[in-house]
Amino acid sequence: NAGVTQTPKFRVLKTGQSMTLLCAQDMNHEYMYWYRQDPGMGLRLIHYSVGEGTTAKGEVPDGYNVSRLKKQNFLLGLESAAPSQTSVYFCASSYAAYGYTFGSGTRLTVV
Amino acid sequence: KNEVEQSPQNLTAQEGEFITINCSYSVGISALHWLQQHPGGGIVSLFMLSSGKKKHGRLIATINIQEKHSSLHITASHPRDSAVYICAAPGLGTYKYIFGTGTRLKVLA
Repeated sequence: NAGVTQTPKFRVLKTGQSMTLLCAQDMNHEYMYWYRQDPGMGLRLIHYSVGEGTTAKGEVPDGYNVSRLKKQNFLLGLESAAPSQTSVYFCASSYAAYGYTFGSGTRLTVV
Repeated sequence: KNEVEQSPQNLTAQEGEFITINCSYSVGISALHWLQQHPGGGIVSLFMLSSGKKKHGRLIATINIQEKHSSLHITASHPRDSAVYICAAPGLGTYKYIFGTGTRLKVLA
């Protein structure tokens, strides 16, 4: 099925560990986004990309890095995980402003 | 004050009731998107509209661009409609969404 696929779906990390979340889309969308969702905070933009090889900071970029080496993939990295990064992470993609398609989310717990 | 405001924040209804969720925005937008998120679940697109009204099953979305207001209606509500409903919009000239804080709906059997 066409759409946005996120892996992994769940992960528990120890403080200081690193990990990479993968987002893959097969809709040929130019724009891709990483959000985090925390209780009472709504969705907050971490980083985004407007095309292959480009990335930009969103509202809450600290502690995260991203890469978009291929158009269909957008990777979110945590170099040294902290408990404050416990959250649900959503990837989304869009063709310009014509509506986002979201992935199913990654539930990350940092202990 | 958020640029996209939703009301109510929480809503409890009895099965079968007609439900309205409101979304007001203070910025110029090109379109408005209604999203649904079930507890512990992913985010699903319901509607994207830039004018008038759209209907899908028991869900109806309307938008009044001049008044900067959109509504999501659910007719004959059912417990499976229990979810968080989020309105979101890309600002004019941008592809980045501004999200409302969501309306948590619980429909009781």
